[in-house]
Amino acid sequence: AQSVAQPEDQVNVAEGNPLTVKCTYSVSGNPYLFWYVQYPNRGLQFLLKYITGDNLVKGSYGFEAEFNKSQTSFHLKKPSALVSDSALYFCAVRDIDQTGANNLFFGTGTRLTVIP
Amino acid sequence: DAGVIQSPRHEVTEMGQEVTLRCKPISGHDYLFWYRQTMMRGLELLIYFNNNVPIDDSGMPEDRFSAKMPNASFSTLKIQPSEPRDSAVYFCASSTETGFASGANVLTFGAGSRLTVL
Repeated sequence: AQSVAQPEDQVNVAEGNPLTVKCTYSVSGNPYLFWYVQYPNRGLQFLLKYITGDNLVKGSYGFEAEFNKSQTSFHLKKPSALVSDSALYFCAVRDIDQTGANNLFFGTGTRLTVIP
Repeated sequence: DAGVIQSPRHEVTEMGQEVTLRCKPISGHDYLFWYRQTMMRGLELLIYFNNNVPIDDSGMPEDRFSAKMPNASFSTLKIQPSEPRDSAVYFCASSTETGFASGANVLTFGAGSRLTVL
């Protein structure tokens, strides 16, 4: 079965500094990896995905993520954090089982706080 | 497009009562998903539909939970009878067919329904 792990429950970063939110995955076969963000009292919003191709994926709001096969990681990054980036971030991996059922497994989430 | 619309946004009820959560997916989206979010278990997929047909309900916790999609623009998640451990935020999400077979599709989530069972 596919799974993702987000080792940090909480990440604090000063405004203007680079930020990294970590994610590692465990899959059989080629991984389909996603990042979603959840702002307070809102549903999850798609940020970016890696399916194939370039290891560096660019997404919404200036975020990017680097797929690293040897380290089985898919860390989310941004060069300069904004206070408005404060939210809950979820890494996810797609799983398609032998019946063809299609599921998206989410990590436990990392709460990012950007300090002014 | 108004996005995925869920109602009610908040529901407080007493143990044993029936709860019905509603979802209107984005027009033209062929797939609809129900997720549950709790602090203890994170986000869990309960069930998903394709063209109004339930495809995978293996995540539905028990017989007290049921979901229907009578048409392409409406789905319900019902809990009867409700229990305190059902307290959670329930999200509905929808997706197009594009990329679904390969697993590359993107989900659009509603704002969620926060359920509190006393």
